[in-house]
Amino acid sequence: GQNIDQPTEMTATEGAIVQINCTYQTSGFNGLFWYQQHAGEAPTFLSYNVLDGLEEKGRFSSFLSRSKGYSYLLLKELQMKDSASYLCAVRDSNYQLIWGAGTKLIIKP
Amino acid sequence: IAGITQAPTSQILAAGRRMTLRCTQDMRHNAMYWYRQDLGLGLRLIHYSNTAGTTGKGEVPDGYSVSRANTDDFPLTLASAVPSQTSVYFCASSDSMEGSNEQFFGPGTRLTVL
Repeated sequence: GQNIDQPTEMTATEGAIVQINCTYQTSGFNGLFWYQQHAGEAPTFLSYNVLDGLEEKGRFSSFLSRSKGYSYLLLKELQMKDSASYLCAVRDSNYQLIWGAGTKLIIKP
Repeated sequence: IAGITQAPTSQILAAGRRMTLRCTQDMRHNAMYWYRQDLGLGLRLIHYSNTAGTTGKGEVPDGYSVSRANTDDFPLTLASAVPSQTSVYFCASSDSMEGSNEQFFGPGTRLTVL
């Protein structure tokens, strides 16, 4: 079967750096996405990786290793507004997104 | 620019009733999707449409049907609702199902089946 694993919850301090890991086992690979979802709201796109390596976008970076079935999302200079769930999703061989359950990130002052 | 709209925002429904959730996008996107989101689980794809006039089944299609008569609209119908269909339903769209095309999500419909 297909599986996306992420930690259920993480806690970090305002101003710090946090890394959210995602491991996947899917039938085929056609890209990996990270989305942010605030409580009670819709998911919004953060990043896309299809080749190995690091993609940097402001305070957020995303890394992919296809051989290891592994990605991480790195958030720098954490702000209170970064408190949200972070969803990892892999596009499989049918071009459908398989989603992890999400990591709830709690930011403390 | 509205993006994607969904209606209703929330609904309480008696088991056995028929219900249609509406979804409209104004971005001229080719692909559209319906997901359900349940606590502790990832988003699960119910049905999708690659382009107007075509639809396909996702991971959890049973009990649901869709149609895609035009580019903008993608309604989801529950023919006879059951309590296990209580969930938050998200409609999404993207320019394509391939490449770096991100999916844009509507605000969601919270459905309770009693």
